[in-house]
Amino acid sequence: QSALTQPASVSGSPGQSITISCTGITTVDDGYNYVSWYQKHPGKAPKLIVYDVDNRPSGVSGRFSASRSGNTASLTISGLQTEDEAEYYCNSFTNSYTYVFGGGTSVSVL
Amino acid sequence: QLQLQESGPGLLRPSETLSLNCTVAGDSISSRSYYWAWIRQPPEMGLEWIGSRYYSGSTYFSPSLKSRVTMSVDPSKNRFSLRLDSVTAADTAVYFCAATTVYDSIRGTYYLPRYFDYWGPGILVTVSS
Repeated sequence: QSALTQPASVSGSPGQSITISCTGITTVDDGYNYVSWYQKHPGKAPKLIVYDVDNRPSGVSGRFSASRSGNTASLTISGLQTEDEAEYYCNSFTNSYTYVFGGGTSVSVL
Repeated sequence: QLQLQESGPGLLRPSETLSLNCTVAGDSISSRSYYWAWIRQPPEMGLEWIGSRYYSGSTYFSPSLKSRVTMSVDPSKNRFSLRLDSVTAADTAVYFCAATTVYDSIRGTYYLPRYFDYWGPGILVTVSS
């Protein structure tokens, strides 16, 4: 599977909602959708914020939501806060036990 | 809760071999509950998955790196390792070790290793002559 495509940057004002797209997702043969999203601040390790398309790990803010339609996955950040400024990466797990990351999206809070 | 920590040389010459270790705290490296992985991020670029390994010895590698990558484990030191042969400047990156939980002890269910839920802080490796 080729690298997934994300917009290079997305910006919004505090309190607004933004959506990051991730195209090029292919469905695993068994029909499951194994898409995950990671938040990465500069100099820090990535943090898992969404798995299996639209599930949040314990402790992740409910302001993060995600979905998938066809070959595109989307991450929405609601009520944008300054702490949300970071890089966001989508990832797809394939049926050959390999992984593909998106190119990353830089989120700016204006 | 797992804790992971990368270690290894920060500077290599072209054609040398990159060797990194990831020491695991919080569970055994031989546990059936996790896949162990390496992921890297070149400067000003995105994340790139390198490879993953299960306790059974099953390994999976990025097609673009497969010919140069080896992953191993050292149960005596509770760590897993990455070896990348014949490095070039293109291998300059921050290298992260990561873990994927595949066993839910509450449900007693195994899952596919479909995301990375534990990460080390990363280590910068520079390849330069």
